[in-house]
Amino acid sequence: DVVLTQTPPTLSATIGQSVSISCRSSQSLLHSNGNTYLNWLLQRPGQPPQLLIYLVSRLESGVPNRFSGSGSGTDFTLKISGVEAEDLGVYYCVQSTHAPPTFGGGTKLELK
Amino acid sequence: EVQLQQSGPELRRPGSSVKLSCKASGYSITDYLMHWVKHRPEHGLEWIGWIDPEDGETKYAQKFQSKATLTADTSSNTAYMQLSSLTSEDTATYFCASPSFDYWGQGVMVTVSS
Repeated sequence: DVVLTQTPPTLSATIGQSVSISCRSSQSLLHSNGNTYLNWLLQRPGQPPQLLIYLVSRLESGVPNRFSGSGSGTDFTLKISGVEAEDLGVYYCVQSTHAPPTFGGGTKLELK
Repeated sequence: EVQLQQSGPELRRPGSSVKLSCKASGYSITDYLMHWVKHRPEHGLEWIGWIDPEDGETKYAQKFQSKATLTADTSSNTAYMQLSSLTSEDTATYFCASPSFDYWGQGVMVTVSS
């Protein structure tokens, strides 16, 4: 199975600060069809996960554009340009290029 | 609007079973795979398996092969997951999600306790 390693496990930020989360895969997530099936999710306390970014860098409808995704192959990054209070929670990367789908271990974003 | 509505919280004794439901609206469940995911705060998200409601094909994560059974009722646009031989390790919140983790149910808390 593909292992997704997220760093850091915990991130402390002030409102307005820009932060980045890394997701590193144990193998390339480039599918034979040319797509890279790497998504980013946010799970706020007591809520289901919410899709933020799909196919590495595409912003889900309704998600603020302070969120951006980048990367290729095995290395991916989620950036938040100016953290807001509503961004607090646990961020997960998830891949579905290879079966079975797998999740990263999560990065908890806290207020400093 | 796509919505996945899950059943309510469950309290079960060790050794028993539970069947959870996930009713889709806004689309036909036969159009996409339905995934089930387990969440425990200290363990993060774990993929349990998926079902293709169009033909009933299922795929499970190895550790859930003998624990979970996925089914679907196309007439009611609802997917189901049965968990058997419950232990304290099965205490968690369970989500349905489709098609590629774009849409999620609200989750159902299952508590296993004597």
